Formats: sequence, structure tokens, C-alpha cells
Amino acid sequence: QSALTQPASVSGSPGQSITISCTGTSSDVGGYNYVSWYQQHPGKAPKVMIYDVSKRPSGVSNRFSGSKSGNTASLTISGLQAEDEADYYCCSYAGSSIFVVFGGGTKLTVL
Amino acid sequence: QVQLVESGGGVVQPGGSLRLSCAASGFTFSTYVRHWVRQAPGKGLEWVACIQYDTNNKYYADSVRGRFTIFGDTSKNMLYLQMNSLRVEDTAVYYCASGAGDYSPDYWGQGTLVTVSS
Repeated sequence: QSALTQPASVSGSPGQSITISCTGTSSDVGGYNYVSWYQQHPGKAPKVMIYDVSKRPSGVSNRFSGSKSGNTASLTISGLQAEDEADYYCCSYAGSSIFVVFGGGTKLTVL
Repeated sequence: QVQLVESGGGVVQPGGSLRLSCAASGFTFSTYVRHWVRQAPGKGLEWVACIQYDTNNKYYADSVRGRFTIFGDTSKNMLYLQMNSLRVEDTAVYYCASGAGDYSPDYWGQGTLVTVSS
């Protein structure tokens, strides 16, 4: 089971937009529309920000959006705010034998 | 109010066993896919295992298959993870997670720390 590939870090200034990529294979990201994105602040449990590629749970800001093209999913955060600084993980269904796989995580720094 | 509370973590020697528990309140646990996810110190999230709500089928990460067993007690609204033959690399905070998203759980506990060390 290989983790999905994410950049180790991204950064942006308040008000800017950033995009975090998540690359998998046709057996996970590319094969199903079950990609989700989690935000995790230090010492806290993860929080789902996007599920099923592009759906936003109730209560999550519309500054967060998700998309997918082929084997790569993306999380875009627009209008960066200081409280967006956190670790972000992508997650994908990977079939009935592996079930779920996470990305390695991306640390977002708001400059 | 939905809540998941893990317990059972601690320090154990390599080769030892530990059973983690997860108590759910505010929703019927057994009607959702129930997951265990772990996070080694300073590392990323790693999915460990899950049990489906309808078939009770169980799935495991390659790293724990054959050593860990996930099971639930619907009468108590509980989830468990029996961990045997523990290794140093199993050291992590273990979270239970569940919710409406089968593959994207939205309810998470606060985690319980398992340390495997001699």
C-alpha cells in the first residue's frame, strides 16, 4: 500500500489562493470519486474539509474547494486566512482489498 | 452530541498485546463504517482498519494484517482494536473515526497513545 503523493509544504500570504495536489493511481484516486481532504491543527484530531472529490460538509467555508483530473486530486483554498495554517491530508478509497489510503500530508504556512 | 472516546493506550514491550476501545455516543455506531487510523509521532495519518456497517466485513492495512483485529459490540455502541505482536513501528496515536462518509469519516475521537518500547 503506497501512500498518495502530496507536496511536503506549501505557503501563501493572507488573501491569496493556494492549491495542494494529491497524486495516486488508477487504483485509488483515478478509479473512484471518493477523494477527501482533512485539515489537522497541532494536537488536534483531523477534520474533513472536502469529501467525494468536491463536496463540502456543512459548516466548512466555501473558500475550500476540491477537484480531480485523472489520477491527481487537488484542494484549493482561496482567500487564505491565518487559521488555515495546518497540515492537510488527502484520502482516497482504494478498492475492496486496501479500502482507504492517505497522502503523506502537506504543511500549509500562511506567511 | 456526537462523541467518540478512545481508551486503552499505554506502554507495551515489543511482542506484547494491547486492546483499544472506542465508545460512541450521540449516534448509532453500527450503522456506519467504523475506522481505526493512526499517526506516529511527527508523522502523517495512516489508515489501519475498518469494519463495514452492513456486511461486518473487515479490512486491514498490509502493515497490521494478521496482527490486529477490529471488532465491534453493537449492544454497547463500542469499537475495539485488538493489537498483538506489537512492534516499535506501531507506536502512534490511534484514532477511531466514523460517520456518514464511508471513506471519509467525519466523526473522530481525540486519540489514544500507544508506545511500543523495551
